[in-house]
Amino acid sequence: DAKTTQPPSMDCAEGRAANLPCNHSTISGNEYVYWYRQIHSQGPQYIIHGLKNNETNEMASLIITEDRKSSTLILPHATLRDTAVYYCIVKPSGSRLTFGEGTQLTVNP
Amino acid sequence: DGGITQSPKYLFRKEGQNVTLSCEQNLNHDAMYWYRQDPGQGLRLIYYSQIVNDFQKGDIAEGYSVSREKKESFPLTVTSAQKNPTAFYLCASSTQGGYGYTFGSGTRLTVV
Repeated sequence: DAKTTQPPSMDCAEGRAANLPCNHSTISGNEYVYWYRQIHSQGPQYIIHGLKNNETNEMASLIITEDRKSSTLILPHATLRDTAVYYCIVKPSGSRLTFGEGTQLTVNP
Repeated sequence: DGGITQSPKYLFRKEGQNVTLSCEQNLNHDAMYWYRQDPGQGLRLIYYSQIVNDFQKGDIAEGYSVSREKKESFPLTVTSAQKNPTAFYLCASSTQGGYGYTFGSGTRLTVV
């Protein structure tokens, strides 16, 4: 699976958009970009995934660059409950999930 | 509601004792997984099973054992051979094709 690089931590003001970057310069054509988050002392939660096109669901939007070497997860109106570790994972569809250290997002009042 | 249940949430054991962590799912998923998480780190795969009566070692299987006698259940035994067993343990399940990963709420094991 391709390696991903994420900043270790980010801060965001409540109500503002949170933009979490992820670099995956060695991504292969059959690898998807997945995002999960883990609130403290809980199990990870699926957020969104995509291959080439931008994706949006009720939780977030995923923007993937045209060359697919990086992506951004966008939480449009961050709340205090969005404080969590966010994991960007690149893998072929159907293979096992492998976690890095992720980005600790802290949403401040 | 469908989901994964891990029990207990907190577990304390004395050094040298084996301990078994429970994981049950009612999602009708074929595949199940055990991960370990240490403070400030990501999850590491211990064991996984894609079908009943079959399982494979993950990245850090030494000192652990599993069984998969039923589709719904995938218990993990932390043996006395595991040198640093204190950690947060997470169970997950997915379809056999690796879709729909769902995680339990975890068991925090402390060995004293």
